[in-house]
Amino acid sequence: EAGVTQSPTHLIKTRGQQATLRCSPISGHTSVYWYQQALGLGLQFLLWYDEGEERNRGNFPPRFSGRQFPNYSSELNVNALELEDSALYLCASSLVVGHYTFGSGTRLTVV
Amino acid sequence: AQSVTQLDSQVPVFEEAPVELRCNYSSSVSVYLFWYVQYPNQGLQLLLKYLSGSTLVKGINGFEAEFNKSQTSFHLRKPSVHISDTAEYFCAVARGATGGGNKLTFGTGTQLKVEL
Repeated sequence: EAGVTQSPTHLIKTRGQQATLRCSPISGHTSVYWYQQALGLGLQFLLWYDEGEERNRGNFPPRFSGRQFPNYSSELNVNALELEDSALYLCASSLVVGHYTFGSGTRLTVV
Repeated sequence: AQSVTQLDSQVPVFEEAPVELRCNYSSSVSVYLFWYVQYPNQGLQLLLKYLSGSTLVKGINGFEAEFNKSQTSFHLRKPSVHISDTAEYFCAVARGATGGGNKLTFGTGTQLKVEL
């Protein structure tokens, strides 16, 4: 069974640009979660999508947004990039409560 | 809302010695509890989880944890560590299956450094 796949693995952007990160969940998983892991700040919950709908949102500004497609894959978009957006972005998928599988992440660097 | 506290940011230990990584949680509802490990430049790997049933949970790589409801703790233990256990360990909590969101809330992590 293929795991959760994230692309790209690394992304370098300039301040003010937009970044798009992608996540493909495990086949059959309907929920996708996004987390930001910035240096010294631990893992912060960003967004949760289930069945194509945004179910919950963490304490992040509106320039962090995303969507879930009919095949349950998901995109995270970050607009107007700031230097402090540099982080590892992790995606997890889940079918039932209590079972989460994480991808290897996308390392976003804003210069 | 749920929260997790990992009091130890770093834990140094010699190889073959026992180790305990502490985790305390706060929640007004039933919870699920997890321990994840993260090796450098990698994602999170599940070590073990408590959903219900026996309070002693055994996971991969010889790790185990005990759910203590009265002390709201879920400490991770290993009787004899190996150099390859050097990594960052995260405790996490999710609301139990009683409805509502079940996102994971993480602690700040504990860096385990195993020395020869």
